[in-house]
Formats: sequence, structure tokens, C-alpha cells
Amino acid sequence: NAGVMQNPRHLVRRRGQEARLRCSPMKGHSHVYWYRQLPEEGLKFMVYLQKENIIDESGMPKERFSAEFPKEGPSILRIQQVVRGDSAAYFCASSSLAGEGEQFFGPGTRLTVL
Amino acid sequence: ELKVEQNPLFLSMQEGKNYTIYCNYSTTSDRLYWYRQDPGKSLESLFVLLSNGAVKQEGRLMASLDTKARLSTLHITAAVHDLSATYFCAVANYGGATNKLIFGTGTLLAVQP
Repeated sequence: NAGVMQNPRHLVRRRGQEARLRCSPMKGHSHVYWYRQLPEEGLKFMVYLQKENIIDESGMPKERFSAEFPKEGPSILRIQQVVRGDSAAYFCASSSLAGEGEQFFGPGTRLTVL
Repeated sequence: ELKVEQNPLFLSMQEGKNYTIYCNYSTTSDRLYWYRQDPGKSLESLFVLLSNGAVKQEGRLMASLDTKARLSTLHITAAVHDLSATYFCAVANYGGATNKLIFGTGTLLAVQP
């Protein structure tokens, strides 16, 4: 049973470009969470999605960031017009239950903005 | 807003010694997680603590939860070099339909031979 998959594992972008990060949850999981880890810091919640719905985006920056989890395919975190401050590790987690399900983390995507 | 504090932030210890990492949180929650993260890697789940008084042990690590004091501890017994990593606690923040995790700042553990 494959775990949570994320790709790419490493992504380099120049300032002003777009970054697309993908997350495939574990089989049978329909709840996806995105977290961001800045260098030397803990993980910060960004957004929680179920299939085709954004449930909680209270941790998302107001501009340039968006997320989706379509009916088919992976969840995508999109960052438009990246800036150096976006350089971080972005982790996706999935769970099978909404309120009490343990979250399982993917390997992360390390974004570097030049 | 739920806040989670860990201390110490950095811990250097010798092999064979014992030490405890503390995790305090600010509002009610009955679900607390401990994770380990090696440099450049993802999070490895260590313990899930679900109720007041819960105690779990795995090898040289033991975690406990006191929901009344809003405190969890991760105790390291007779540390070995392989335990060197960053350890995070995380508390489930239930709010409506969400189940987001609020993480502590992490404790960087360095075990010296």
C-alpha cells in the first residue's frame, strides 16, 4: 500500500515564476492537508481539502497561493509569482477520516526560489 | 487560538543519559502526536496520545499526556546517537470540520558519543 506521494521532491523556480506542487493521498484517503515548513521552523498548517472542496484555508496566504483537490487526480498547491520568501518545504498529509483520522505525511517538496 | 510550545529548542546530550522534552499547549485537545524528523526528510510518526494519562513506550522513547495540565512529555532513556533528530509535538485543533495539526517549534536533539 503506497503511502502519500508528492512530486516533485525538489523544485527550483526563479522569482516571478509559478510553482505547482502535487500530492497523491494514500489509497482510500479523501482528506488532504498542506503544511509549510520554513527553514529552522516547525510545520504550519495551510489548507485542508476534501474531494472538490476547500474546507479550511485559514493558513493560506491571501495572495498568490491556491489549492485544489479535484474529483480525479492529485491535490495541487499552486504558488503564482514566487518570491524568495516562498522557499520552504511543503508537506502534504492525508487521512481517511475527517475529525479523528491520523494524518500520514508525504516526503515533501522542497521549493527553492532563486 | 491554539498555541503549542516545546522546550528545550536544542538539546545536546551524551550517550547513555536521560532527558525529557516538554510540550505545552494552550487550549483543550485530547489528541497529541509526537513526530521525528531527520534532516531533509519527512515526518515519522512516533506516538499518538488520545486520552488523559496515556503513556506509550517504544524502545528508548516514552511519551505521556496530561490533558488537565495541557502537557505532554517525551522521555529519552539512555540516549544513543541514532536518536539524533528533530522532535516535534503536534496538537489536533478541532474547529468545525477541520482537524488541522498545530505544531510545536521542535527540539533539535544531538546525542554525542
